[in-house]
Amino acid sequence: NAGVMQNPRHLVRRRGQEARLRCSPMKGHSHVYWYRQLPEEGLKFMVYLQKENIIDESGMPKERFSAEFPKEGPSILRIQQVVRGDSAAYFCASSVTGLEADTQYFGPGTRLTVL
Amino acid sequence: DAKTTQPNSMESNEEEPVHLPCNHSTISGTDYIHWYRQLPSQGPEYVIHGLTSNVNNRMASLAIAEDRKSSTLILHRATLRDAAVYYCILNQGGSEKLVFGKGTKLTVNP
Repeated sequence: NAGVMQNPRHLVRRRGQEARLRCSPMKGHSHVYWYRQLPEEGLKFMVYLQKENIIDESGMPKERFSAEFPKEGPSILRIQQVVRGDSAAYFCASSVTGLEADTQYFGPGTRLTVL
Repeated sequence: DAKTTQPNSMESNEEEPVHLPCNHSTISGTDYIHWYRQLPSQGPEYVIHGLTSNVNNRMASLAIAEDRKSSTLILHRATLRDAAVYYCILNQGGSEKLVFGKGTKLTVNP
């Protein structure tokens, strides 16, 4: 059973460009979470999605950031008009259910560098 | 969000047991205690979780105090691969997101 897959692993963008980060959850998992880790800081929750629905986006910046998890295909975290402050590692996790006792399995992350 | 308190760092020697403490004095009855770890340049990895009783798995043991206000993650024989930041997290009933603190950075000496 393949783990959570994220691509690309490394992404370089210039200020003002768009960044698209992809996450394929583990087989059988329909719950996806995105977290961000700024340099030398802890992980911060961004958004929680189920297939075709955003359940909790309380950690998402209000502007430029969006996430989706379509019926078919991977979950996408999209950052428009990137700025240097968006440089961070973005981790995706998945779980079978969304219950508090459930384990979240994390991917290897996408490291975004904004020049 | 319920708060946990962990030491910033700890050191251990290879093949010795390690006890990583976590205080969570404001824990509520429905909070699960989760432990994750993050190796350098990798995503977090699940270690163990529990509610009230002590738990064991192939990676570690989790000892939960009777009043649930503290817990201890036990690595029975530390290896160099166990060097990581260990996070103690309370997952509140009805809340799916994990709230990561600063964790404990474990250094394992050969």
